[in-house]
Amino acid sequence: RKEVEQDPGPFNVPEGATVAFNCTYSNSASQSFFWYRQDCRKEPKLLMSVYSSGNEDGRFTAQLNRASQYISLLIRDSKLSDSATYLCVVQPSGNTPLVFGKGTRLSVIA
Amino acid sequence: EPEVTQTPSHQVTQMGQEVILRCVPISNHLYFYWYRQILGQKVEFLVSFYNNEISEKSEIFDDQFSVERPDGSNFTLKIRSTKLEDSAMYFCANTDRPFGKLFFGSGTQLSVL
Repeated sequence: RKEVEQDPGPFNVPEGATVAFNCTYSNSASQSFFWYRQDCRKEPKLLMSVYSSGNEDGRFTAQLNRASQYISLLIRDSKLSDSATYLCVVQPSGNTPLVFGKGTRLSVIA
Repeated sequence: EPEVTQTPSHQVTQMGQEVILRCVPISNHLYFYWYRQILGQKVEFLVSFYNNEISEKSEIFDDQFSVERPDGSNFTLKIRSTKLEDSAMYFCANTDRPFGKLFFGSGTQLSVL
């Protein structure tokens, strides 16, 4: 089983739509979780951390289900500028490297 | 937001040649990392570096790879004898604490012919 698994997409959605991405991870002892955004041929950029209680940042909501080893990202009111690849990232413990998923590609269409 | 600078942005080399990729980290961010991303694949950890020594490395980081801070500021990744499969985007990353928030450089696209 892959360490961090994501649906590769692409997800093609119209502007204003709500879209959800899912991610599963294999290491049940993993401690930290993140969503990164990566534009084509650019560096990954931290979008948000994911906390057990769930957290929201504007139009973005992240949730973590430790029992199911599942992380989600919800984007409401999609904008054209949201088009990118969204990377699910897991840190197995506080002093270990981040483990990246392959990413889910989102295209928001006018 | 603080920036990590990488040079060159593109590097084309012949198989078997040595390449050095350079990174200028954020001031006072003393934890350094190299990641790579083969086209269409996931971002993969190569190595972490702190206090002038490697703190962790992955299976990818074999004897062909080395890292150093030659002048106390720049952080470099050297590949001694490049292979075709080394073709990838190489990202330098930097934090102010071990495996804290990662600031990535814009990457060096390495093409081995």
